Amino acid sequence: DAGITQSPRHKVTETGTPVTLRCHQTENHRYMYWYRQDPGHGLRLIHYSYGVKDTDKGEVSDGYSVSRSKTEDFLLTLESATSSQTSVYFCAISHTGTGNEKLFFGSGTQLSVL
Amino acid sequence: QQQVKQSPQSLIVQKGGISIINCAYENTAFDYFPWYQQFPGKGPALLIAIRPDVSEKKEGRFTISFNKSAKQFSLHIMDSQPGDSATYFCAASSLETSGSRLTFGEGTQLTVNP
Repeated sequence: DAGITQSPRHKVTETGTPVTLRCHQTENHRYMYWYRQDPGHGLRLIHYSYGVKDTDKGEVSDGYSVSRSKTEDFLLTLESATSSQTSVYFCAISHTGTGNEKLFFGSGTQLSVL
Repeated sequence: QQQVKQSPQSLIVQKGGISIINCAYENTAFDYFPWYQQFPGKGPALLIAIRPDVSEKKEGRFTISFNKSAKQFSLHIMDSQPGDSATYFCAASSLETSGSRLTFGEGTQLTVNP
């Protein structure tokens, strides 16, 4: 998947615990994104990054934070996981960030919050 | 509020038939309309995309039809094959928005029977 590695691939956690998902890319792309995929909602943007230490919110950012200390790594943190955050999380990357640019997606992380 | 509405939610087609998936959007600032294909356990991958300055774009068996006045676009898969069985997402973005921030439809699960 275009040099994108998401970890872990599967995680089960309990309500109220912190969770961090990692996205690692080997493409040296400037832009990175976190989406969540839920039945009936498609994919929704949580946060994105346009460079090291440069991040911005997407449409469903409440309850999530992100960090990007290196070009290749983009972390998504659920400070206190809730059952509504049970979802499949996808990381994506793009090179220039133009509106008509192709996104490359990772294989996803299945997160279950019990 | 879903800015891009997709239908049907699921579709079953016989091999050799035509698969048609429809999308409608609300935001008139959208000016880029891609379709992504997703196989089980994988991330979405770009299939085909269109700009509003043309009414149709064809790539092999896949065609996008675009109706700017109705704010609708659709994906047609000719001679559908079992290997086309996947989930299809329409999406939209604005070239004026920084970052390739796509707004996705809800998704259509296509099954092509042999």
